[in-house]
Amino acid sequence: DIQMTQSPSSLSASVGDRVTITCRASQTTSNHLNWYQQRPGTAPKLLIFAASNLQSGVPSRFSGSGSGTDFTLTINSLQPEDSATYYCQQSYSTPRTFGQGTNVEIK
Amino acid sequence: QVQLVQSGSELKKPGASVKVSCKASGYTFTSYAMTWVRQAPGRGLEWMGWINTNTGNPTYAQGFRGRFVFSLDTSVSTAFLQISSLKVEDTAVYYCAREVWTAAVKSYWFGPWGQGTLVTVSS
Repeated sequence: DIQMTQSPSSLSASVGDRVTITCRASQTTSNHLNWYQQRPGTAPKLLIFAASNLQSGVPSRFSGSGSGTDFTLTINSLQPEDSATYYCQQSYSTPRTFGQGTNVEIK
Repeated sequence: QVQLVQSGSELKKPGASVKVSCKASGYTFTSYAMTWVRQAPGRGLEWMGWINTNTGNPTYAQGFRGRFVFSLDTSVSTAFLQISSLKVEDTAVYYCAREVWTAAVKSYWFGPWGQGTLVTVSS
């Protein structure tokens, strides 16, 4: 199974800050890496698919990069509504696996 | 619009069974696989497996073999998750999600997700 490790586990940032979350896979996932946002009490929502492709309707301040084993989710100009937990997920192989999540708090 | 609507919360005693439904609308049900994800209280997302909506063939992740069963009723575009011999540690929110293949980037992703069904197991 491919293990996904996110860092940091949590962070606190101010409105307008640039935030970076990293995700590392235990073996290559090529570009088969997705990012989801989960606000408290709600279902996860797709932000980025195939490492760098912005899902329709997602604000352009979100971006993804990386390939192989190392990936990054960046939020430019953090907004209050970005307070959530973010998960990476690999779709390279079965079983699909998720990172443990990164909780983003607004200062 | 594409939507997955799940059944409501359940409170069950240990040893009982529960069946969660996930009704799809806005797309051709048999064109996309359905996946199931568990989220225990305060914990992360755990992939349980998926079911081929064309053939009905399920695939279970390790840890979800035996007491967990995925099934379909394609006549009403609905997927089901049944859990038998419930344990306290099965208490969680269970999500269904459509698995989508995007040919342009040759990759899979999950979306949309159902709203989640809270299953509470308590004596």
